[in-house]
Amino acid sequence: AQKITQTQPGMFVQEKEAVTLDCTYDTSDPSYGLFWYKQPSSGEMIFLIYQGSYDQQNATEGRYSLNFQKARKSANLVISASQLGDSAMYFCAMRVTQGGSEKLVFGKGTKLTVNP
Amino acid sequence: GAVVSQHPSWVICKSGTSVKIECRSLDFQATTMFWYRQFPKQSLMLMATSNEGSKATYEQGVEKDKFLINHASLTLSTLTVTSAHPEDSSFYICSATLRLAGADTQYFGPGTRLTVL
Repeated sequence: AQKITQTQPGMFVQEKEAVTLDCTYDTSDPSYGLFWYKQPSSGEMIFLIYQGSYDQQNATEGRYSLNFQKARKSANLVISASQLGDSAMYFCAMRVTQGGSEKLVFGKGTKLTVNP
Repeated sequence: GAVVSQHPSWVICKSGTSVKIECRSLDFQATTMFWYRQFPKQSLMLMATSNEGSKATYEQGVEKDKFLINHASLTLSTLTVTSAHPEDSSFYICSATLRLAGADTQYFGPGTRLTVL
């Protein structure tokens, strides 16, 4: 089964510190993509970072980095120097191919709260 | 770049009426768009995949006659909730796929909050 697991319903971090949000995945496809999205209270889903299954290096995008450990099937998101505006829901997603079409499978999300 | 808009951002309607939600990719063409539904404090649930010029592909358990999807052009897909009932009240989000650096990435609209009285 193709599945994304986010085991942390909620996380707290002090402003300016780093935080890691966990994500594990399950797929038998040799080719897949992993995504992280941020959803503030306003509701929009903001694309943060992408990691392809064949990418040799961990993806980075500003303060966001993806700790990709293929053997462990994990794709944790690391946010460095947390800011108050980082408080939001974070969803890990995997691109899968089902029935000939590509779609995203989402985890249940982690609510991050950044404390001043 | 990669901006997706949705209209309206919120709508309140009476039970039994139909509501149309538009999803537009503003600065790119999207062959494929997706429609999701999200209940409070839950993850996104894919409703259907919308391909330009062809019929939408619905996920199991989604009533195609209730949720009509039309993908009229490479920049516009619409979701019509027909004969809406209170249980259809939800947050509806669309996304459009853009290929960047060899990867297809879904960019999401801001969502539409539907309340059926």
